[in-house]
Amino acid sequence: AQSVSQHNHHVILSEAASLELGCNYSYGGTVNLFWYVQYPGQHLQLLLKYFSGDPLVKGIKGFEAEFIKSKFSFNLRKPSVQWSDTAEYFCAVNPLTSGTYKYIFGTGTRLKVLA
Amino acid sequence: NAGVMQNPRHLVRRRGQEARLRCSPMKGHSHVYWYRQLPEEGLKFMVYLQKENIIDESGMPKERFSAEFPKEGPSILRIQQVVRGDSAAYFCASSRDSSNQPQHFGDGTRLSIL
Repeated sequence: AQSVSQHNHHVILSEAASLELGCNYSYGGTVNLFWYVQYPGQHLQLLLKYFSGDPLVKGIKGFEAEFIKSKFSFNLRKPSVQWSDTAEYFCAVNPLTSGTYKYIFGTGTRLKVLA
Repeated sequence: NAGVMQNPRHLVRRRGQEARLRCSPMKGHSHVYWYRQLPEEGLKFMVYLQKENIIDESGMPKERFSAEFPKEGPSILRIQQVVRGDSAAYFCASSRDSSNQPQHFGDGTRLSIL
């Protein structure tokens, strides 16, 4: 079955630390990839997306993600986190052969940034 | 706020009652998706609708759950005779079309069953 794994369920960092959140998926075909963020009390917001082209994707708020096809990974990175990055982060995969609408989500990573 | 609107934000029901969750898509979006998030799990696809049509309901339980997206008005996810296991967060998303357009999510409805 298609699945998405986010290895870290809870991450605690100090401000200015670097961040990398792992995301791996199990699907051999073509995919669209997404990272969403949910700030406390708010809705899911799209951070960045990968459809094709340059595997290094820049998103909002200084986030980026790298698609490594051979590793089935789409890890999220930020060189220097801020207190305001405290949120829950979800990786989502859209396997294209199942229709472009079906997203498969990871379980999420709760990030807490200490001021 | 022109985003996806869901209401109510929180809904409490007793076992056996009915729950109705509403979702108004973003302006200009005609595709609606419902997802369910159980505690400590990721969002799971339930159903995909376009106006007056259910396109894919493969993720929806066969009994007690139904969804609609009428010509006028919001999309409704209806759960009849709720049970404790229905307690979850239900998220609605919308997109302009289904091909390579990211889905935009609402705030979710947190359903609690007493």
